[in-house]
Amino acid sequence: AQSVTQLDSHVSVSEGTPVLLRCNYSSSYSPSLFWYVQHPNKGLQLLLKYTSAATLVKGINGFEAEFKKSETSFHLTKPSAHMSDAAEYFCVVSDRQGGSEKLVFGKGTKLTVNP
Amino acid sequence: DGGITQSPKYLFRKEGQNVTLSCEQNLNHDAMYWYRQDPGQGLRLIYYSQIVNDFQKGDIAEGYSVSREKKESFPLTVTSAQKNPTAFYLCASSLGTGAGNTIYFGEGSWLTVV
Repeated sequence: AQSVTQLDSHVSVSEGTPVLLRCNYSSSYSPSLFWYVQHPNKGLQLLLKYTSAATLVKGINGFEAEFKKSETSFHLTKPSAHMSDAAEYFCVVSDRQGGSEKLVFGKGTKLTVNP
Repeated sequence: DGGITQSPKYLFRKEGQNVTLSCEQNLNHDAMYWYRQDPGQGLRLIYYSQIVNDFQKGDIAEGYSVSREKKESFPLTVTSAQKNPTAFYLCASSLGTGAGNTIYFGEGSWLTVV
């Protein structure tokens, strides 16, 4: 079965500095990978996804992620943090079970942005 | 606007009661899902449905039940058998369940046992 590990439960940055949220996955085949963002008491919004096309994936709000097969990583980055980026971020890998794909979620990384 | 609507946003349940959370989507998606979210544990799959009149257990189905009588609707019942139901519940849908399908989420429902 596939799994995903978000290496930091909390990340704190200053406004205007870079953001790095780390994610490692395990998969026995070429996976699809996603990053979602969740603001407090809200649903999850898709930031970006990788589905075996370009390894550098650009998403919404200036975020991007790079798929590195050799490192089994899919880290999320943004050059300059904004206060509105404060939220929880989930790395997700697809898992093939019973002939269908289901998502396996990491435990989340809470991003704090300081003024 | 197209999307997924969950109701109610907040629900309180007494011990021994069954409660039902509503989920409606107008995205014409075939697949629908229910997830439970607890602090620090990410999301866990309760049930999913790939097509009308069919649904499958997820990882934590015990104490829950669902139905899928219409394509647009996938209600979740939290039964009295669910010993620790206080959580944030998220409904989601996707066009299909093949590789790379994007799952879209509703705004969630808070269930609290009182």
